[in-house]
Amino acid sequence: AQSVTQLDSQVPVFEEAPVELRCNYSSSVSVYLFWYVQYPNQGLQLLLKYLSGSTLVKGINGFEAEFNKSQTSFHLRKPSVHISDTAEYFCAVSDFQAGGTSYGKLTFGQGTILTVHP
Amino acid sequence: DAGITQSPRHKVTETGTPVTLRCHQTENHRYMYWYRQDPGHGLRLIHYSYGVKDTDKGEVSDGYSVSRSKTEDFLLTLESATSSQTSVYFCAISEIKYNEQYFGPGTRLTVT
Repeated sequence: AQSVTQLDSQVPVFEEAPVELRCNYSSSVSVYLFWYVQYPNQGLQLLLKYLSGSTLVKGINGFEAEFNKSQTSFHLRKPSVHISDTAEYFCAVSDFQAGGTSYGKLTFGQGTILTVHP
Repeated sequence: DAGITQSPRHKVTETGTPVTLRCHQTENHRYMYWYRQDPGHGLRLIHYSYGVKDTDKGEVSDGYSVSRSKTEDFLLTLESATSSQTSVYFCAISEIKYNEQYFGPGTRLTVT
């Protein structure tokens, strides 16, 4: 069974500083990886995804993440954060069978609350 | 934004009463999901559907049932609501190949 661990429940940071939100996963098969963002009182919005190919993926709002298979990690980074990045961020994993088709379930981490201070 | 709506958006109900939440999509996606979100637990899958009248249980399905009679609608029913079912409920849809899911705005349910 797959599982996802987000290593920090809360990350405070000052505006214009860099940030890294950490995510580790476990799975016995190959995986697709996702980061979602949730702004207060809203649904989840897809930030970026890793399906295959380059291990460095770029998403919306200047975020990027790097897939590290040996470390089973998919950490999210942004070189300079803004006040508007304050939100909760969720890492998620979906395993798939040969041929690339997913089994149909997404497993989420517990979330990391990013708070950007002026 | 993916065309997903949830109704109602907020509901307060009493313990023991039945409650039905509705998810409606306009994307014609085959797969639909119901999650609950609770502090410290992230999102947990309740039930999902892989086609009309085809549903399966998720990790926290006890006390919940679902139905899907049309591609666009996925209903979540709490047969007899309990206080432990106070939560925010999210519907999601996907095209299964990569399981990239798109979420609705959520329903905040309070069981008193």
